[in-house]
Amino acid sequence: AIQLTQSPSSLSASVGDRVTITCRASQGISSALAWYQQKPGKAPKLLIYDASGLESGVPSRFSGSGSGTDFTLTISSLQPEDFASYYCQQFDSYPLTFGGGTKVEIK
Amino acid sequence: EVQLVESGGGLVKPGGSLRLSCAASGFTFSSYSMNWVRQTPGKGLEWVSSISSSSGDIYYADSVKGRFTISRDNARNSLFLQMNSLGADDTAVYYCAKDSGSSPDDFDSWGQGTRVTVSS
Repeated sequence: AIQLTQSPSSLSASVGDRVTITCRASQGISSALAWYQQKPGKAPKLLIYDASGLESGVPSRFSGSGSGTDFTLTISSLQPEDFASYYCQQFDSYPLTFGGGTKVEIK
Repeated sequence: EVQLVESGGGLVKPGGSLRLSCAASGFTFSSYSMNWVRQTPGKGLEWVSSISSSSGDIYYADSVKGRFTISRDNARNSLFLQMNSLGADDTAVYYCAKDSGSSPDDFDSWGQGTRVTVSS
């Protein structure tokens, strides 16, 4: 199974900060990577598909990049509603796998 | 608007069984692969199972293979997960999720989740 390693597992940031989360795959997955945001008690929400595609309705401050084994989710200017957990997911092959998550907290 | 509504969760004893359902609306259910994903308390997300639009392709996580069975009824726009031989490790919130397009794929819509607790 393809393992996804996210880092950091948590971070503290202030409103307006630029935030970067990384996801590393244990083998190449081309661009078959998605990013999700999850708030407490809610279902995950798709933010980024195919490593860099912005899902409809998602603010443009979110962006994704990378291919192969190294991927990045960037929030260009953190907003109060962005404090949440973020997960990467690979869909290159079964079994589908998720990263361990990154919790973004208020500094 | 896509809606996915799970039901069937609850408290079950170790070794017991439970059947989860997911009612879908707002899209052509029969055209999309569907999935079950679970989240253990305070932990991350774990993919459980996927089923293709025609039920011709089915996949399971190793952790549930042989115990769980995914199925769908396209006439009733419904997805199911039959869970047998449940153990404490199966305690989680179970989400149904819709594929974006061609499988395997990302999940562009999720239900609100149904909680399963395995405890004596």
